[in-house]
Parts: sequence; C-alpha cells; structure tokens
Amino acid sequence: GENVEQHPSTLSVQEGDSAVIKCTYSDSASNYFPWYKQELGKRPQLIIDIRSNVGEKKDQRIAVTLNKTAKHFSLHITETQPEDSAVYFCAAKARAGGSEKLVFGKGTKLTVNP
Amino acid sequence: EAQVTQNPRYLITVTGKKLTVTCSQNMNHEYMSWYRQDPGLGLRQIYYSMNVEVTDKGDVPEGYKVSRKEKRNFPLILESPSPNQTSLYFCASSWGGTGADTQYFGPGTRLTVL
Repeated sequence: GENVEQHPSTLSVQEGDSAVIKCTYSDSASNYFPWYKQELGKRPQLIIDIRSNVGEKKDQRIAVTLNKTAKHFSLHITETQPEDSAVYFCAAKARAGGSEKLVFGKGTKLTVNP
Repeated sequence: EAQVTQNPRYLITVTGKKLTVTCSQNMNHEYMSWYRQDPGLGLRQIYYSMNVEVTDKGDVPEGYKVSRKEKRNFPLILESPSPNQTSLYFCASSWGGTGADTQYFGPGTRLTVL
C-alpha cells in the first residue's frame, strides 16, 4: 500500500525566515496531495492541496510543489510568523482495494521563534 | 454552520467498560472516517465508511467497531477498552465517497483508559 514519508519531524525557524517540509510517496498513481495544519489542541484543517496536473500552487505565503517523477511534494511557508507554529501533515491519495483513501505522513512540528 | 461534531470531548474510563464515541456531520457527506492520533505516529485510520451500511477497516481496526445506519452519524465503539487505546480520536468526513478529497475533522475526543 501507499507509504508517505514526511521530513523533518521537527523544524524551528526564526520569524521572517522560510520553512520547507518535504513528503515522499510510493504509489505512482497518487494524484491528490493535501496539507493539513493542526494548531495546539485543535483539529487538523486543510490549508492547501495540489493535484497531479499542476506542478505548483500558491496561496499568499504558502505554496506547494509537486515532482511526480521523483514522487515528492513540499510545503513552503515564506515570511513565517509565530501563528504559523503548528503541526503540519501531508497526505496522498492512495488506492485501497477497489476504493481510495488518504494516507497521512507522521507530521512536522514547526516552531516559529519571535 | 457546516461542521463535524464529536461527543464526548474528554473521557476517562477503566479497562473493559464498553464505551461509544459519537460523530455527526451536517454536510451530507458520503464518506466518514475515524482516526487516532498518537505522538510520533501521526494520524492512523481506524475504520471508514463510504456510505450508509458500508464500512471497512483502516490501518488499525483491532479493538474497535463502527456502524453507519444513517448518513450523518458514524459512532465508534470500544467493546472492551484497554490502556493501549488511550489516545486522541478524530472523526472526519468528506463529500466524495472515497475519502480522497478534502476531509473535515471533528474537534477530537481525548480518551484515557485506566
């Protein structure tokens, strides 16, 4: 089945710096890659996603890039702010028997230091 | 307001005492799922349902049961809880029947089994 590896597990940056989180996946048929943000004590919420027909997608300070050949995708956060501190999960759509499901990475704890 | 709700939010129980965690969504979503979140392990899927009366095992189904008698409700049942089921549980739903779309998470249920 699909395996999603996420790195790093923890990331600490200074406010204003950029942060990059990378995920690799194993199923070459995967074509949907969302990113979720989970603030402390809160539920995971979708922040951005990308489908395999595009290589990059931006939404203000966040962007996601996809390299289908290498089977990896990355989350880029520019001009980081303390409120970006959270756990970030990547996910990939995977085949599951006759159906599909999302497989999540183990998460990256991002700390933005003021 | 479109939302996924879970009850209870916090529960402390003892080994072997049957319990049910309820999950309800008001978005007419076809797909519903249960995850458990443990430190360093990310979000692991317990069970999912693609529609009424259609349920299937996720990655860690042992010790859990579910049912989907109505589209909006997807309760998680622990017939004989054990301490290794102490965890943070999230219910999620998505529009598509496969779950490979944006998933909306409930607020979480923190379960402690003594």
